[in-house]
Amino acid sequence: DVKVTQSSRYLVKRTGEKVFLECVQDMDHENMFWYRQDPGLGLRLIYFSYDVKMKEKGDIPEGYSVSREKKERFSLILESASTNQTSMYLCASSLGGAGSPLHFGNGTRLTVT
Amino acid sequence: DQQVKQNSPSLSVQEGRISILNCDYTNSMFDYFLWYKKYPAEGPTFLISISSIKDKNEDGRFTVFLNKSAKHLSLHIVPSQPGDSAVYFCAHINTNAGKSTFGDGTTLTVKP
Repeated sequence: DVKVTQSSRYLVKRTGEKVFLECVQDMDHENMFWYRQDPGLGLRLIYFSYDVKMKEKGDIPEGYSVSREKKERFSLILESASTNQTSMYLCASSLGGAGSPLHFGNGTRLTVT
Repeated sequence: DQQVKQNSPSLSVQEGRISILNCDYTNSMFDYFLWYKKYPAEGPTFLISISSIKDKNEDGRFTVFLNKSAKHLSLHIVPSQPGDSAVYFCAHINTNAGKSTFGDGTTLTVKP
């Protein structure tokens, strides 16, 4: 089974702090994704990556950046955390190809105070 | 761009009965739709998918139906079980772009 591991289940940070969310997958998947989930808004794509050192903006990239230095690891960075970035953050990976499903981690609940 | 809408935020059914979750989309061009299930404090897990060349796909108690003329798909769960209580997301995969677009989700509650 594919395992996607997010380093923290819960984080509490202060406004203005730089925040790193880490994600590791163990199945040699090409594609990795960061989503945030908010009540009534479903899952919204922040950034994704097809390969090492490659990144693409999703639907809501403002205030975020990403890093993919190794194939198995995809980091989400909040440059200067704000209260409207309080959310559940979900990392996912996929093999790629037609109909290839996403495999999600268990999420990081980030609270910015 | 594809938009995916799940217009029912919640659904409650009795154990043993059928659950029907609905999803509408806007763009006729698509490759695949997928359904995911999400329990609290866990990430979504893949449930079942359907490609644009099919009208139906079945996997055990789960069946997805596609109505291309209405731009509508539905997930049927028969018989429903209390363990099916979860949030269900409909998602479109843009195979060329490689990204998925999700609906807002429907919370299913199956009462014993």
